Amino acid sequence: GAGVSQSPRYKVAKRGQDVALRCDPISGHVSLFWYQQALGQGPEFLTYFQNEAQLDKSGLPSDRFFAERPEGSVSTLKIQRTQQEDSAVYLCASSPNRENQPQHFGDGTRLSIL
Amino acid sequence: GESVGLHLPTLSVQEGDNSIINCAYSNSASDYFIWYKQESGKGPQFIIDIRSNMDKRQGQRVTVLLNKTVKHLSLQIAATQPGDSAVYFCAEGYNNAGNMLTFGGGTRLMVKP
Repeated sequence: GAGVSQSPRYKVAKRGQDVALRCDPISGHVSLFWYQQALGQGPEFLTYFQNEAQLDKSGLPSDRFFAERPEGSVSTLKIQRTQQEDSAVYLCASSPNRENQPQHFGDGTRLSIL
Repeated sequence: GESVGLHLPTLSVQEGDNSIINCAYSNSASDYFIWYKQESGKGPQFIIDIRSNMDKRQGQRVTVLLNKTVKHLSLQIAATQPGDSAVYFCAEGYNNAGNMLTFGGGTRLMVKP
């Protein structure tokens, strides 16, 4: 079956522009996570959804970052007024939210802010 | 694609040898631990996980060991192959697998043919 799909794979934007990153989780997966991965580092948690409910957004670095999952499936991470420090790989993961079921990751969107 | 982990600790092994990758975790409340493999330009790929009520779990060619006393996790790969070359991350979580993961810094494994 299909894994987690993210688009676009690469995004280049000028500083100050708004960007939107899309995640299609594995079908039927209740939980959806966004992580940010800087070069040479491990992923860092941004936010977590269970179905359409955003249960944890403690990792979002500023109020320029906004995520939604309106129908409990596809999710969008939006970054407003992008800054150079937003350049990173943005990873999406999903899981069935049952015990002993790991998170499965997409290949990420590499965001470069010029 | 762009390399993951340009300045990570590196473990270099000969093809066919066993590899051991170590990880220290930080939160004594964590009850779920997981290893991921990440190749350049790709997302983390699940390898194996373990809950805190176990100290060892085996998969195909991989074994994870958990020492809660010293908050240490290790990943053993038997008969390492060139396709195992990647960056390996451990991660910790709690309550259940549905919650956020906290990742370690990663180790690059290089397998020499």
